[in-house]
Amino acid sequence: QQQVKQSPQSLIVQKGGISIINCAYENTAFDYFPWYQQFPGKGPALLIAIRPDVSEKKEGRFTISFNKSAKQFSLHIMDSQPGDSATYFCAASSGQAGTALIFGKGTTLSVSS
Amino acid sequence: DAGITQSPRHKVTETGTPVTLRCHQTENHRYMYWYRQDPGHGLRLIHYSYGVKDTDKGEVSDGYSVSRSKTEDFLLTLESATSSQTSVYFCAISGTAYVGYTFGSGTRLTVV
Repeated sequence: QQQVKQSPQSLIVQKGGISIINCAYENTAFDYFPWYQQFPGKGPALLIAIRPDVSEKKEGRFTISFNKSAKQFSLHIMDSQPGDSATYFCAASSGQAGTALIFGKGTTLSVSS
Repeated sequence: DAGITQSPRHKVTETGTPVTLRCHQTENHRYMYWYRQDPGHGLRLIHYSYGVKDTDKGEVSDGYSVSRSKTEDFLLTLESATSSQTSVYFCAISGTAYVGYTFGSGTRLTVV
């Protein structure tokens, strides 16, 4: 069974703090790991993605850390802001064109001011 | 989202009635997907398409059928709606490898 396990289910962080969301996968054929951000009433939007040839990718305040041997990857949101309050999904696939993404169950992040 | 639209945005229907949801894209992308989103389950793949008239089943395909007669349109049909199909349905498109999906804004379907 191809699965992506995401934790925690919900997260509350103080403004300015670091938010960390973790995901683990089983299928070693996966080689594309995107994160999506979803605001209420909207569709998910691609936030940042990584491939296994690097251990970390940073875009602004968002960083993906990737551990190939442990089959785990995580999203770090530095200096979390109330505007970051949303649901975050990790996903994985083999990356080939047309391959369907397998999503984690999501993490609801609330950043308190 | 620009380039992909879903219709209707909201629908309430009765158990046992057929329902068709539409996804329309203007990006000329080859690949299209239907997902459903439910609390505690995340996004689960229903069906996907890799070209005109080429479709395949996803994880939760029972009770659903799809059709793609044109590149730009991907239809999801619930042949006989049940309460368990109450959900938010998202369509997504992708064109090439390793670039992720673009999602539509979703259709909230309630089966009463």
